[in-house]
Amino acid sequence: GDSVTQMEGPVTLSEEAFLTINCTYTATGYPSLFWYVQYPGEGLQLLLKATKADDKGSNKGFEATYRKETTSFHLEKGSVQVSDSAVYFCALSDPDYKLSFGAGTTVTVRA
Amino acid sequence: DAGITQSPRHKVTETGTPVTLRCHQTENHRYMYWYRQDPGHGLRLIHYSYGVKDTDKGEVSDGYSVSRSKTEDFLLTLESATSSQTSVYFCATGGAETQYFGPGTRLLVL
Repeated sequence: GDSVTQMEGPVTLSEEAFLTINCTYTATGYPSLFWYVQYPGEGLQLLLKATKADDKGSNKGFEATYRKETTSFHLEKGSVQVSDSAVYFCALSDPDYKLSFGAGTTVTVRA
Repeated sequence: DAGITQSPRHKVTETGTPVTLRCHQTENHRYMYWYRQDPGHGLRLIHYSYGVKDTDKGEVSDGYSVSRSKTEDFLLTLESATSSQTSVYFCATGGAETQYFGPGTRLLVL
């Protein structure tokens, strides 16, 4: 079945550092890919998405590119802030619109 | 954000008792989902609905049932709660492009 593997955390960074969270997937067909973010005590919010190969999703300074050849959707941000501290989830959507999530990566940014 | 509420937000119950969690949406979304979140597992799909009275099982459906008698409400029932069902439960609505998540229900089964 479909599955998502993402980089294990926790990840601790200093403000203005570069952030990368790796995500790879296994799926039949061509799923849509997502990054969700969960701030402490809250539900998940969509951060960005890509629906076909070579699409780049971006939002709030975060970017991820749908790479079919490497089955990857790595999340990047060039300069993180303390407010980016959260848990990040990579996910894919199957043809029935069900999401499969990675285990989540906890990111802590220190001032 | 889609208007999604979950009730209760916190619940403590005892093993063997039935528990019902409610998800309510105001966006008229066709699809609704129940997930559970556990450390090291991300979110796992319990059940989902693709319309009124149309539901199907997800990855971890054993011990859970759902009902959807109205577009706006999706109920999750733990038929006889067990300690392994201690978790945070999230409802989501939406469909093809995006799922919107509720604030979650934290359930503790003693």
